Amino acid sequence: QQPVQSPQAVILREGEDAVINCSSSKALYSVHWYRQKHGEAPVFLMILLKGGEQKGHEKISASFNEKKQQSSLYLTASQLSYSGTYFCGTEERMGGGADGLTFGKGTHLIIQP
Amino acid sequence: DSGVTQTPKHLITATGQRVTLRCSPRSGDLSVYWYQQSLDQGLQFLIQYYNGEERAKGNILERFSAQQFPDLHSELNLSSLELGDSALYFCASSVEVLSDTQYFGPGTRLTVL
Repeated sequence: QQPVQSPQAVILREGEDAVINCSSSKALYSVHWYRQKHGEAPVFLMILLKGGEQKGHEKISASFNEKKQQSSLYLTASQLSYSGTYFCGTEERMGGGADGLTFGKGTHLIIQP
Repeated sequence: DSGVTQTPKHLITATGQRVTLRCSPRSGDLSVYWYQQSLDQGLQFLIQYYNGEERAKGNILERFSAQQFPDLHSELNLSSLELGDSALYFCASSVEVLSDTQYFGPGTRLTVL
């Protein structure tokens, strides 16, 4: 079951904040966040595990609401380098089981000077 | 640079042909994952190997097969190619088999004419 990401796209000015959401209809064990720039490979941002704490580093953080099967990625005081497509990947069972990591369709983030 | 290498970078071939994509994981990583990324389907998990054994299977067609060799490099074989197989194929690797950070290679862009 593919997770649903929202919004599909967002345009911000440098220094503004953004929130990207990821939700699933299935019970999740973990949520993975990646950023991909055009023509490049996805780059890992963070993993949130069931029962784990909110993760974050510098101005990017994320939360995982196990009851609602939702995760949110928070980008604070956005920088030009934050532009790209953000993907959430979800695991329904520890280790992914038979389905591996299922990715959402992505959220396109454009940061303008 | 994630440390994951993929060859070739680009591949152009005709329908009905067979190709092999190669991936070398980061030093020390035992898990290898294959993903297909196309405009209409997004990032799709194909298959995972851990220390030479198949660990999880996703949306991989019967025309596609993969293996991981004793030196831990992996190959993805695509046969009877169709126009719809044109996509970016990523390999990723991780240390563990369970819910671990995945480091993506630069990808192989396959074009089927």
